[in-house]
Amino acid sequence: QQQVKQSPQSLIVQKGGISIINCAYENTAFDYFPWYQQFPGKGPALLIAIRPDVSEKKEGRFTISFNKSAKQFSLHIMDSQPGDSATYFCAASPLNSGYALNFGKGTSLLVTP
Amino acid sequence: NAGVTQTPKFQVLKTGQSMTLQCAQDMNHEYMSWYRQDPGMGLRLIHYSVGAGITDQGEVPNGYNVSRSTTEDFPLRLLSAAPSQTSVYFCASSYSRTEKEAFFGQGTRLTVV
Repeated sequence: QQQVKQSPQSLIVQKGGISIINCAYENTAFDYFPWYQQFPGKGPALLIAIRPDVSEKKEGRFTISFNKSAKQFSLHIMDSQPGDSATYFCAASPLNSGYALNFGKGTSLLVTP
Repeated sequence: NAGVTQTPKFQVLKTGQSMTLQCAQDMNHEYMSWYRQDPGMGLRLIHYSVGAGITDQGEVPNGYNVSRSTTEDFPLRLLSAAPSQTSVYFCASSYSRTEKEAFFGQGTRLTVV
């Protein structure tokens, strides 16, 4: 069963626009919520991550918003660029687990010039 | 640092053949994991290890074996390949249960005919 649900499956954004990807989870034991970026033919690479004790984390153009009560978190990419075109995965990891990442199914983002 | 190194990058197997996918990390990470990535499915955990000599099953372990005799290496064995094992396989490592950032290898694209 999919423990992390991700939407949308695909997204097209114009250059300079805001890309928003959403994820939802059910397991309240999750305590670590990373976002991974994957380019074709490459392995996923950590983009940004958040713990449930904060509601927002920003790194450059990338922001995670976290809503603990709703069990939802989202990735916002500000001023989207064609180089951001990639597949994005949200994930969640249980407390005291360093190995088990539960991934969403991924969002294919295309940023048009 | 090489990070996480996977070999081979590509492999074609016939049904019933066996093979080992290699994974090595040079970051002295405690945790190592194997995932498979299928279109529209995200990444699913196959097996993981929390240290040398300790392994356990993930979400989709059937048809795969693992062992971890050293901190650095975590090979994945396919005992009798089946077409359903056609996938892209990623090895990942992370430092500990609290330092959870997972580093992924470049992947092995396996086709079973």
